[in-house]
Amino acid sequence: QSALTQPASVSGSPGQSITISCTGTSSDVGSYNFVSWYQHHPGKAPKLMIYEGTKRPSGVSNRFSGSKSGNTASLTISGLQAEDEADYYCCSFAGSITWVFGGGTKLTVL
Amino acid sequence: EVQLVESGGGLVQPGGSLRLSCAAPEFTFSSYWMHWVRQAPGKGLVWVSRINSDGYSIYYADSVKGRFTISRDNAKNTLYLQMNSLRAEDTAVYYCARMVNHHFDYWGQGALVTVSS
Repeated sequence: QSALTQPASVSGSPGQSITISCTGTSSDVGSYNFVSWYQHHPGKAPKLMIYEGTKRPSGVSNRFSGSKSGNTASLTISGLQAEDEADYYCCSFAGSITWVFGGGTKLTVL
Repeated sequence: EVQLVESGGGLVQPGGSLRLSCAAPEFTFSSYWMHWVRQAPGKGLVWVSRINSDGYSIYYADSVKGRFTISRDNAKNTLYLQMNSLRAEDTAVYYCARMVNHHFDYWGQGALVTVSS
């Protein structure tokens, strides 16, 4: 199972919006509404930010939103804040009781 | 607050074995699927293995199939990963994670496994 494709890095200034893409195939992202996004600060536990493509867990800021079109899912962060600087990973159910992650995107808040 | 606490990481020689544990004292552990996910140095997250709530349905990534064994003790609220025939490429931080409807809602802080001579 190949990893989902994410940009290695994105950056933005405080207050701006950024979007991170996550491209899979018709066997994973394109087939299931089970894309999730995780924020990971090095040395800490990853944190769920978006699940089932567009849903936000309780406690996650509404500045974070998710979408999907075809084989590509996206995470948008609006009103960037310094504490948003982290690595972000997408993940998709890939059938046959397997899951595949993206390679990760390092977000830098300038 | 749901907590997952991994232990058992360390330095092991190639070909050696190690067993990771993940304690989950704060929720009804027996109701959830549990997973192991790893992150090699400088790399991204990679799914390793899944066990269902009663422990009878188990799946592995191809890279660890035949060498790693996932198990759970619901009476002790603990998840395990027995790793045998370890290779340098197994060097990683190993995370346990709870799954709800195909997403991981809680993760542990990770256990570092280093395979080196």
